[in-house]
Amino acid sequence: SQTIHQWPATLVQPVGSPLSLECTVEGTSNPNLYWYRQAAGRGLQLLFYSVGIGQISSEVPQNLSASRPQDRQFILSSKKLLLSDSGFYLCAWSKAYEQYFGPGTRLTVT
Amino acid sequence: GNSVTQMEGPVTLSEEAFLTINCTYTATGYPSLFWYVQYPGEGLQLLLKATKADDKGSNKGFEATYRKETTSFHLEKGSVQVSDSAVYFCALTNRNFNKFYFGSGTKLNVKP
Repeated sequence: SQTIHQWPATLVQPVGSPLSLECTVEGTSNPNLYWYRQAAGRGLQLLFYSVGIGQISSEVPQNLSASRPQDRQFILSSKKLLLSDSGFYLCAWSKAYEQYFGPGTRLTVT
Repeated sequence: GNSVTQMEGPVTLSEEAFLTINCTYTATGYPSLFWYVQYPGEGLQLLLKATKADDKGSNKGFEATYRKETTSFHLEKGSVQVSDSAVYFCALTNRNFNKFYFGSGTKLNVKP
């Protein structure tokens, strides 16, 4: 069966510090991978998606970036965090028409 | 374009009440439709799905029928429990399956 991992689970970072969130998927190959952000009490905002290694599509201009160095690894990064980057970050994978989510990372920028 | 519209929440019900959460969509072609559930502090879990018109998705007592004529996929449950309290998201994906489109979510509160 397939599983998706995200870490860390929670993170508190000061404004201006760098960020690296990691997501890995097990039990499947060549999945589509996604990063979403969810502000408190709000819906999902698609940030990036990837259909293959090194292929990243950005949905929203911002100070975040994503990379896919391996088939089942997806990384979300920032060089300098803003207060507005606080939120719940969700990684997801899909194959064909079903999408599955990781447990999420709660990021608080102080 | 593709989009999903859900009823505004929160929805507050007493235990054993009937639940309906409305969802309508706009899509090109023939989308697949989904309901996801999110419990506090967790990721989204796939609750049910339907891939073509008139399909009924069902799971854990929840049901939704893909209505192409009304472009709707309403979520229903005959008797809610306190443990059903969560946020419910309606979603669709279209022909290329690369992107998924989510509604804004509907929070359900079930009181004992």
